Amino acid sequence: QKEVEQNSGPLSVPEGAIASLNCTYSDRGSQSFFWYRQYSGKSPELIMSIYSNGDKEDGRFTAQLNKASQYVSLLIRDSQPSDSATYLCAVYNNDMRFGAGTRLTVKP
Amino acid sequence: NAGVTQTPKFQVLKTGQSMTLQCAQDMNHNSMYWYRQDPGMGLRLIYYSASEGTTDKGEVPNGYNVSRLNKREFSLRLESAAPSQTSVYFCASSERFFGPGTRLTVL
Repeated sequence: QKEVEQNSGPLSVPEGAIASLNCTYSDRGSQSFFWYRQYSGKSPELIMSIYSNGDKEDGRFTAQLNKASQYVSLLIRDSQPSDSATYLCAVYNNDMRFGAGTRLTVKP
Repeated sequence: NAGVTQTPKFQVLKTGQSMTLQCAQDMNHNSMYWYRQDPGMGLRLIYYSASEGTTDKGEVPNGYNVSRLNKREFSLRLESAAPSQTSVYFCASSERFFGPGTRLTVL
């Protein structure tokens, strides 16, 4: 069984702080890793993809991948109220598996 | 450039009825996906198509069939709807772009 686990939250951080979102996966053959943001009632939006161990930065977002520990994380720097959403981790190995998502609230 | 379009946006069915959800993309992507999203469960992959003419089962294919009609279109069919299929259905083109979703209720 291919499992993708995320803390459901809610995670609450003050505006300007760093939000840290974590995800673990069970399938060691997983090749590609994705983070999506989903606002309530809307469809998911891809915000980061990562394929190799280490960090990948894009603006205020940093994805971190550690395949040995089967762990992928997303850091959001200088969090804004507009970042308040559910963040979905997804893992690909022949098919795509999603975690249940972590709800993030950024308080002004 | 419409991206990914899905029809209908909302649908109510009675148990045992059939229907087809339509999805089309104009980005010339090879891969397309159908997901369902239930409260508290994230997205679950129903079927996917890596390229025109191919389809494969995902995590939860039972009760569904798909057709990759051409490179643009990927449809999902419920032959005999059941209340357990009440969900929000998303189509995706590649791993990047999602459609707006179809909210389906089966009574």
